[in-house]
Amino acid sequence: DVKVTQSSRYLVKRTGEKVFLECVQDMDHENMFWYRQDPGLGLRLIYFSYDVKMKEKGDIPEGYSVSREKKERFSLILESASTNQTSMYLCASSLETSGAFTDTQYFGPGTRLTVL
Amino acid sequence: AQKVTQAQTEISVVEKEDVTLDCVYETRDTTYYLFWYKQPPSGELVFLIRRNSFDEQNEISGRYSWNFQKSTSSFNFTITASQVVDSAVYFCALSGAGNQFYFGTGTSLTVIP
Repeated sequence: DVKVTQSSRYLVKRTGEKVFLECVQDMDHENMFWYRQDPGLGLRLIYFSYDVKMKEKGDIPEGYSVSREKKERFSLILESASTNQTSMYLCASSLETSGAFTDTQYFGPGTRLTVL
Repeated sequence: AQKVTQAQTEISVVEKEDVTLDCVYETRDTTYYLFWYKQPPSGELVFLIRRNSFDEQNEISGRYSWNFQKSTSSFNFTITASQVVDSAVYFCALSGAGNQFYFGTGTSLTVIP
């Protein structure tokens, strides 16, 4: 079974703090993704990565950065957290190697981040 | 433009009833993929099915079945004899040629015992 894990289920941070959200997958997947999920807005793609050290912006990259130093690990970084970044953050991975989003994405359990 | 519409925001059924969740999509791609995911209260999105645009056969998996109709651009999901454990938010999603995975806004299903 594909296993995607996220470092925290719940996180509370203060405005202005630097926040790291970690995601690890154990299936040697090429692609990894970060989404945020908000009521009424569904899932929105923040960033994705199709290879180590490669990253592409999604729909809402502002205020976020990512890091992929190893194939199995994809980190989402909030350089200076703000209250409007309070959300559920979901990490996913997929095997697809052509660069297209055609393969099944497998999701982690999510991190519910609250910024005070 | 690519788009997924799940018009049913919330549905409530009594246990053992059948329920159908609607999904309508828009795409100009000839090759595309459709997905359904389940998100229980725990939060994790659980993959249910992936279907490519060239395979219009209906699929059945236990109490779950999917009806894919290209003529109406729909990929509907039916749960037969619903159970309380089916209570969740269900998302339909679409992917095509571009670097995008389009999710619908989800349908919240509540199964009442």
